[in-house]
Amino acid sequence: IAGITQAPTSQILAAGRRMTLRCTQDMRHNAMYWYRQDLGLGLRLIHYSNTAGTTGKGEVPDGYSVSRANTDDFPLTLASAVPSQTSVYFCASSDSTISGGADTQYFGPGTRLTVL
Amino acid sequence: GQNIDQPTEMTATEGAIVQINCTYQTSGFNGLFWYQQHAGEAPTFLSYNVLDGLEEKGRFSSFLSRSKGYSYLLLKELQMKDSASYLCAAMDSNYQLIWGAGTKLIIKP
Repeated sequence: IAGITQAPTSQILAAGRRMTLRCTQDMRHNAMYWYRQDLGLGLRLIHYSNTAGTTGKGEVPDGYSVSRANTDDFPLTLASAVPSQTSVYFCASSDSTISGGADTQYFGPGTRLTVL
Repeated sequence: GQNIDQPTEMTATEGAIVQINCTYQTSGFNGLFWYQQHAGEAPTFLSYNVLDGLEEKGRFSSFLSRSKGYSYLLLKELQMKDSASYLCAAMDSNYQLIWGAGTKLIIKP
């Protein structure tokens, strides 16, 4: 494969359940990101990782957690899903240096999540 | 605060030219990105500007004025496949992207 994959493609989830969205890239990019996209709003950053072993909070981190055990994988976990987390989730990666850099972000195909 | 403004929707005719404007306010500035997003798909990279001026790439061009906090995306010889949302994003001093809500471009025959 080449690029970024996400799983699942879509999911309907009962409120209160735990859910992990998976993201894998094979481009050996240092930086990875999780965004949510809601109608009428711009992409909003949830969490990011500049390099394996480090993570940071974005604009809307509450209710979400991430880990970056290796370069390729960046899973996003919803510990106890709520209806306001219904959204389309995009994972992205970029070849930024550890100190930062204005590199292009490349996006996965997205996961459409509905919390009932 | 940080903010990106772009029109919600625009309509244009096949074969014509359309300009999509974007204004930004960010804490620091490390460049302006344009992405294309077809319905139900992921955003895909179109252009990046960090210096003032026009960057041309085939039918698409992007312009930046740092002093005015302004950019535009120019699409020439419009094709039906150009019907999509166009996302403007400014990179702040922490190298994080601040995204506009996107401009939905409708192309009519």
